[in-house]
Amino acid sequence: DGGITQSPKYLFRKEGQNVTLSCEQNLNHDAMYWYRQDPGQGLRLIYYSQIVNDFQKGDIAEGYSVSREKKESFPLTVTSAQKNPTAFYLCASSADSGGGKGTGELFFGEGSRLTVL
Amino acid sequence: AQSVAQPEDQVNVAEGNPLTVKCTYSVSGNPYLFWYVQYPNRGLQFLLKYITGDNLVKGSYGFEAEFNKSQTSFHLKKPSALVSDSALYFCAVRDIGSARQLTFGSGTQLTVLP
Repeated sequence: DGGITQSPKYLFRKEGQNVTLSCEQNLNHDAMYWYRQDPGQGLRLIYYSQIVNDFQKGDIAEGYSVSREKKESFPLTVTSAQKNPTAFYLCASSADSGGGKGTGELFFGEGSRLTVL
Repeated sequence: AQSVAQPEDQVNVAEGNPLTVKCTYSVSGNPYLFWYVQYPNRGLQFLLKYITGDNLVKGSYGFEAEFNKSQTSFHLKKPSALVSDSALYFCAVRDIGSARQLTFGSGTQLTVLP
């Protein structure tokens, strides 16, 4: 079935360590997104990519990094510079690659919960 | 700029009663509007969307939403709530013709009491 796969589902990290969250989609979507979710704060955009080998910072990019070497993959690295990384991370994709031509509808993965010990 | 507000953090309703989850939006042009639902430790699932046409939009699991341009609202409704409807609901908006991404509300926790 087509969809978005995030891994791992749960991840524990010691302070000072970098971790990478995986996001893979087989929907043939051009655009991919990473959101952070904290209780009571809704979804905040970290990074997004509208095409392979290009990505843009969202609202809270500090302490995070991404790459987009393949259309189907958009991994997120949470670096040691991220001061409060414990959160639920959601990856999404869209057939709309920007320019205002589509609806912008997003399809989400099941999320990855990162806990810093 | 585009924004969306969900004025209620929590909505409680008895099973079998009608439910409403409120959403208001702000865009400079015309909007695309969405509702998503999230169960604990899961991703967001699409419920319904308004693109154009009929102001009453029907979606998954018996939910519907009414687009009201004069009140800039897109409230989510269901005639008879189920305990299994208990979840976190997000409204989202995008300005038609804008290159911006979807903007999400802060979410409303719906609890249906048996």
